[in-house]
Amino acid sequence: AQSVSQHNHHVILSEAASLELGCNYSYGGTVNLFWYVQYPGQHLQLLLKYFSGDPLVKGIKGFEAEFIKSKFSFNLRKPSVQWSDTAEYFCAVTPRRGYQKVTFGIGTKLQVIP
Amino acid sequence: TAGITQAPTSQILAAGRSMTLRCTQDMRHNAMYWYRQDLGLGLRLIHYSNTAGTTGKGEVPDGYSVSRANTDDFPLTLASAVPSQTSVYFCASSDTGGTYNEQFFGPGTRLTVL
Repeated sequence: AQSVSQHNHHVILSEAASLELGCNYSYGGTVNLFWYVQYPGQHLQLLLKYFSGDPLVKGIKGFEAEFIKSKFSFNLRKPSVQWSDTAEYFCAVTPRRGYQKVTFGIGTKLQVIP
Repeated sequence: TAGITQAPTSQILAAGRSMTLRCTQDMRHNAMYWYRQDLGLGLRLIHYSNTAGTTGKGEVPDGYSVSRANTDDFPLTLASAVPSQTSVYFCASSDTGGTYNEQFFGPGTRLTVL
């Protein structure tokens, strides 16, 4: 079975600082990778996803993530965060073949200080 | 399009009582899921259904049951609630026949068991 590890559980940044949230997964086969965001009091929404092709994927609101297969990583980045990026971020993985469940990391809470 | 709706939005329940959390989707997705979200534990899968008429156990199924009589509805039942079931419950759906298995989430139900 697959698993996901998010290294930073709580991150505090000032506005305009750069962001990188770590995500590593374990699984022996090909995977689809996701980052979801949960704004305060809201449900999870898809931020970006990787299926195949260019390992650098761009999502909404200026976020991007890079899939490094050799490191089993899918780190989320943003060059300059805004106060409105305050939210909890979840990395998720699912094996590509067949009916497979999605496994989520425990999440990283990002607090952006104005 | 409503996407996924959940009811109730929140509920306070006495221990030992039963309750059904409702979930309805209008996207004709074949797969549906129930997660609970707890502080420091992220999202944990309770039960899932790959298609109408079938269900499966997730990571934390004890104390919960589900049914999938049709494509749209996926109710979660607590037969005899206990305080450890205090949590926020999210229903999700996905089209596993597609490429990405992206999950779409409902707004959640906040349940407090006293």
